[in-house]
Amino acid sequence: SAVISQKPSRDICQRGTSLTIQCQVDSQVTMMFWYRQQPGQSLTLIATANQGSEATYESGFVIDKFPISRPNLTFSTLTVSNMSPEDSSIYLCSVDFDYGYTFGSGTRLTVV
Amino acid sequence: QKEVEQNSGPLSVPEGAIASLNCTYSDRVSQSFFWYRQYSGKSPELIMSIYSNGDKEDGRFTAQLNKASQYVSLLIRDSQPSDSATYLCAVRGLTGGGNKLTFGTGTQLKVEL
Repeated sequence: SAVISQKPSRDICQRGTSLTIQCQVDSQVTMMFWYRQQPGQSLTLIATANQGSEATYESGFVIDKFPISRPNLTFSTLTVSNMSPEDSSIYLCSVDFDYGYTFGSGTRLTVV
Repeated sequence: QKEVEQNSGPLSVPEGAIASLNCTYSDRVSQSFFWYRQYSGKSPELIMSIYSNGDKEDGRFTAQLNKASQYVSLLIRDSQPSDSATYLCAVRGLTGGGNKLTFGTGTQLKVEL
């Protein structure tokens, strides 16, 4: 099965700063997905990243806050901008393979 | 009504028993259904997928789908303490959702010695 590498695995950041999360897949994929999992909650889709086009954001998420890049078919980044303590969550990238979605190991973000 | 609903639990079962996890979804056009297991502090791991009505078995796991009732379940036979985790139901193909997965809130399973 495909391997998804995500980094950093965790970080503690000051409010008002930004953090960029990287996701690398070991095979080419059309769509990559970014999810957020707040403490004790389920997964919420932030946006879908297609190579060569702008990301599609879900209701409640905006590009200025969560800019996404997708420079090629194996890589994507999610930036969490101007962070506040409410952004403390686990952020996960995901890829849809024929057998289902696979998730990266996640980035645990704490904003202080 | 939430799009994908699960009982949050915790569901406690004794070791060796059958654990039954349930999920309902709101949209009849949904196409694909998945069960994920998530250990505390880890990312979700896909354990079963099911696309057509009926049962699908994989080892100790059986997924059951009833599209008419908009219901999907996961049975875990011979439950082990290592099965203790949160189980997430996910649905693909909800109206307007395209290819994305929509997750339920998860059911916490505790297998007791």
